[in-house]
Amino acid sequence: NAGVTQTPKFQVLKTGQSMTLQCAQDMNHNSMYWYRQDPGMGLRLIYYSASEGTTDKGEVPNGYNVSRLNKREFSLRLESAAPSQTSVYFCASRYSLNTEAFFGQGTRLTVV
Amino acid sequence: DQQVKQNSPSLSVQEGRISILNCDYTNSMFDYFLWYKKYPAEGPTFLISISSIKDKNEDGRFTVFLNKSAKHLSLHIVPSQPGDSAVYFCAVKRGGSQGNLIFGKGTKLSVKP
Repeated sequence: NAGVTQTPKFQVLKTGQSMTLQCAQDMNHNSMYWYRQDPGMGLRLIYYSASEGTTDKGEVPNGYNVSRLNKREFSLRLESAAPSQTSVYFCASRYSLNTEAFFGQGTRLTVV
Repeated sequence: DQQVKQNSPSLSVQEGRISILNCDYTNSMFDYFLWYKKYPAEGPTFLISISSIKDKNEDGRFTVFLNKSAKHLSLHIVPSQPGDSAVYFCAVKRGGSQGNLIFGKGTKLSVKP
């Protein structure tokens, strides 16, 4: 039972490059989320998908796009990476509103 | 403006003693409260939660207390163990919203043997 799987685990990008972070969950959860964690900032919501076919902006969406490919998969795309996007990115999923969210292991992204 | 505040960036406790982690929130519309634990290089893992209709929830060594009038949430760990050393995040959900969780900045707990 894998839970929430993120790929890749580590990535170094040059400024201006693009990449897609992949996330898949096998728990039949309806909602999926992308967070970023920066030192001293806690976890901040980038985008979320309340259900298959819907996506919405979170607290810090600028510079990112998302795709909810199907119920299992939710990807995060950086079109033109900037050093300010150096962070640890976490994908999460949950079944319903008053249940806990399950997190992936994270993707550590460095933009140079 | 921070909606969820964990005012202590760090806490050090002796093994076997009680650890108390605190969290304050600003919005009385929050209706579901959670604590997560995070080890370095891992994702956050769910620890315990409480609904706004309760004031206490226990799970083994972990107890969460909710004081709605004070808008205050606390996590008690008794007895503390070295393996509890981690960063603890509180998270809240607003009622009637799409249920997004809002996280505090975290408290780093160190349990000394």
